Amino acid sequence: KAGVTQTPRYLIKTRGQQVTLSCSPISGHRSVSWYQQTPGQGLQFLFEYFSETQRNKGNFPGRFSGRQFSNSRSEMNVSTLELGDSALYLCASSLGSGGVSYEQYFGPGTRLTVT
Amino acid sequence: AQSVAQPEDQVNVAEGNPLTVKCTYSVSGNPYLFWYVQYPNRGLQFLLKYITGDNLVKGSYGFEAEFNKSQTSFHLKKPSALVSDSALYFCAVRDANNNDMRFGAGTRLTVKP
Repeated sequence: KAGVTQTPRYLIKTRGQQVTLSCSPISGHRSVSWYQQTPGQGLQFLFEYFSETQRNKGNFPGRFSGRQFSNSRSEMNVSTLELGDSALYLCASSLGSGGVSYEQYFGPGTRLTVT
Repeated sequence: AQSVAQPEDQVNVAEGNPLTVKCTYSVSGNPYLFWYVQYPNRGLQFLLKYITGDNLVKGSYGFEAEFNKSQTSFHLKKPSALVSDSALYFCAVRDANNNDMRFGAGTRLTVKP
């Protein structure tokens, strides 16, 4: 099976702009989670989607949003970019569903640089 | 809310020696515990998980972890370290209500020949 893919891999944006990142999960996986990874803060949970519904949300401002499509692909959007949004954004997919916690499989990430 | 602590930023071991990477957690109810590894310029890779059952869990690349409920710990171990094990290791926890996955800050393991 193909792994989790994320596009684009690298992105440079200017403060105030917005950005959309894309994630395609492993075939058959219905849950997609997004994380922000920075040297200072480590891995911070952004949100999780399962069957097109947001199931969990981390402690990020409303500028960060996401959605999931019927084919389980997911996008996250960051509006009004700030310098502090520079980070590696990781997407992870899992089989999902309640009762048993499945491991997550991570994509290579999108490196976002805000100037 | 659940949380994870990895008390060591850095662990150094000699090749062939046993290694331990420590992890403690806090969660209400029963925990789901995971270990991931991140090699340079690569995404996180799943190593192993504890959901229920035997406290000693075996995973990829010869790694294992021991769940200790009384000490709320889930330490990662390997009997004989390899130079290629050098990487960043993350412990993660999720509670039985399937709230979000919380990751530790990571421990950088360096195995010297």
